[in-house]
Amino acid sequence: EAGVTQSPTHLIKTRGQQATLRCSPISGHTSVYWYQQALGLGLQFLLWYDEGEERNRGNFPPRFSGRQFPNYSSELNVNALELEDSALYLCASSAGTSGRDEQFFGPGTRLTVL
Amino acid sequence: AQSVTQPDIHITVSEGASLELRCNYSYGATPYLFWYVQSPGQGLQLLLKYFSGDTLVQGIKGFEAEFKRSQSSFNLRKPSVHWSDAAEYFCAVGARTDYKLSFGAGTTVTVRA
Repeated sequence: EAGVTQSPTHLIKTRGQQATLRCSPISGHTSVYWYQQALGLGLQFLLWYDEGEERNRGNFPPRFSGRQFPNYSSELNVNALELEDSALYLCASSAGTSGRDEQFFGPGTRLTVL
Repeated sequence: AQSVTQPDIHITVSEGASLELRCNYSYGATPYLFWYVQSPGQGLQLLLKYFSGDTLVQGIKGFEAEFKRSQSSFNLRKPSVHWSDAAEYFCAVGARTDYKLSFGAGTTVTVRA
């Protein structure tokens, strides 16, 4: 069974540009989570999508947005990129929405903003 | 809201020696607790989890963790480390009525020969 996949692996942008990151969950998983892993800061929760709807978001500005498609894949968009947006962005998926449901993580997209 | 503290940023251990990684959490009720490992260039892999019951939890790769409610701790241990255990380890807490995980800042483990 394929795990969570993310693309691209690396993304280099300049300040002010927009970045689009993609995630495909494990087959059968309906929930997708996005996390930001900035250097030395651990993982910060960004967004949660379930059944095509945004269910909640972390403490990030509105220029971080996304969507979930009918096949449950997801896209994270970051507008008006700033230098501090440079980070590893991890996507995770789960079969349920309880705190007990294991989240399976993808390998991440490394975003570098110059 | 829940939070996690991992007091040790970096630990160096000799191959074959024991390892203990500390994790302290803050949450008003009994939390769901997790340990994840992240190898260079990889995503996170779940090592073990605690929901309820026996406070000593066994995980994969020979790891175990003990939940101590009185100390709000969930420390990870391994009796004898292997060079392949060099990685970054994250403790995370989830709430019974929540969906997202709150992660600690991580502990980097270096294994020397």
